Amino acid sequence: GAGVSQTPSNKVTEKGKYVELRCDPISGHTALYWYRQSLGQGPEFLIYFQGTGAADDSGLPNDRFFAVRPEGSVSTLKIQRTERGDSAVYLCASSLTYGVWNEQFFGPGTRLTVL
Amino acid sequence: DAKTTQPPSMDCAEGRAANLPCNHSTISGNEYVYWYRQIHSQGPQYIIHGLKNNETNEMASLIITEDRKSSTLILPHATLRDTAVYYCIVRGEGAQKLVFGQGTRLTINP
Repeated sequence: GAGVSQTPSNKVTEKGKYVELRCDPISGHTALYWYRQSLGQGPEFLIYFQGTGAADDSGLPNDRFFAVRPEGSVSTLKIQRTERGDSAVYLCASSLTYGVWNEQFFGPGTRLTVL
Repeated sequence: DAKTTQPPSMDCAEGRAANLPCNHSTISGNEYVYWYRQIHSQGPQYIIHGLKNNETNEMASLIITEDRKSSTLILPHATLRDTAVYYCIVRGEGAQKLVFGQGTRLTINP
């Protein structure tokens, strides 16, 4: 079956602009996660959804970052007033439900470059 | 979640077993050991996880020491496609997020 998909695969924007990154989880997966990966580092947790609600947004770096999942499926990560330090690969993952025994399936990521 | 320590890089010959160590000396009783890998330009891929017993699946084996302070991921017959960064993660039962460290960059040589 289809895995987690993310669009766009690459996004180049200018400092100060607004961007939206989209994640389509595996069908039927209720849990959805966003991570950010800077060059040479491991992925860093941003936010986790269980259904439509954000169950843990402790990883969002500041209030310029926001994510939604209005119908409990597709999620959008929104970044306002982008800064050069926001440049990274943004990864989305989904799992069948929550719980430590449920593996997370990752998408290929969106590479964001802020000029 | 407990911190993990892994060597930054390792090499292994194709066809041989690759043994990747991980130290997690502060692991607590309800924390699981997870392994993920990330092939260049792809998202991380789940490999295996365990609590205290050794585990095996079609990809790898996970050996956890009796005191649970360290573990080893074993790829029994490494191929060139196994070249990747391997992450050892300790995750509590109530925790949803994965906390990635720097991982081990494994290079399989022909």
